[in-house]
Amino acid sequence: EVQLLESGGNLVQPGGSLRLSCRASGFMFSSHALNWVRQAPGKGLEWVSSISGTGGSTYYADSVKGRFTISKDKSKNILYLQMNSLRAEDTAVYYCARDPTVTPDYFDYWGQGTLVTVSS
Amino acid sequence: DIQMTQSPSSLSASVRDRVTITCRASRNIGDFLNWYQQKPGRAPNLLIHGASRLQSGVPSRFSGSGSGTDFTLTISSLQPEDFATYYCQQSFTTPLTFGGGTKVEIK
Repeated sequence: EVQLLESGGNLVQPGGSLRLSCRASGFMFSSHALNWVRQAPGKGLEWVSSISGTGGSTYYADSVKGRFTISKDKSKNILYLQMNSLRAEDTAVYYCARDPTVTPDYFDYWGQGTLVTVSS
Repeated sequence: DIQMTQSPSSLSASVRDRVTITCRASRNIGDFLNWYQQKPGRAPNLLIHGASRLQSGVPSRFSGSGSGTDFTLTISSLQPEDFATYYCQQSFTTPLTFGGGTKVEIK
């Protein structure tokens, strides 16, 4: 059974940093791209970042480019999102989502989400 | 970036109604169009990928059609558990983009 379990969400001040984790199980970690998708309170879905199955390619939304870094630890089957220079507009539930292919496409499995709140 | 526009943004319908939601892409995306259902407080759930391919386990009352720039999600006979928000998403190129959502409410 495919499972994705996010953690690391918290209240952080503007300008601060946070690292989200997503522990994956039930599938071949290197055979699937992995993604972060966020949803601000009461708003729609926004793709944030993807990493290819091999980890050799990364992709970012313009809104987070230069501030967020996606990575994965293949030995632990964990996906990360390092978030720096956080802004109020980064406040959202962050979902980890699996791709059925090795490059960014669509999202066939999702985690339950972790809430990031950026506020002073 | 490819902009995805859904319509309507909300609709009211009754159980057993036929419901149609439209998604338009700002440029040709072939059949790289996917649909998700999201219920309050829950993660989204994949319904349709490749414009018309039903995801495993999704009821057959859901169907998708279209190609190029215009796409449709149809629920042939609305059930109580279908009241939710629906999103389209293009996977033609990064940045991957979603439509703004369509909330289906009980009439």
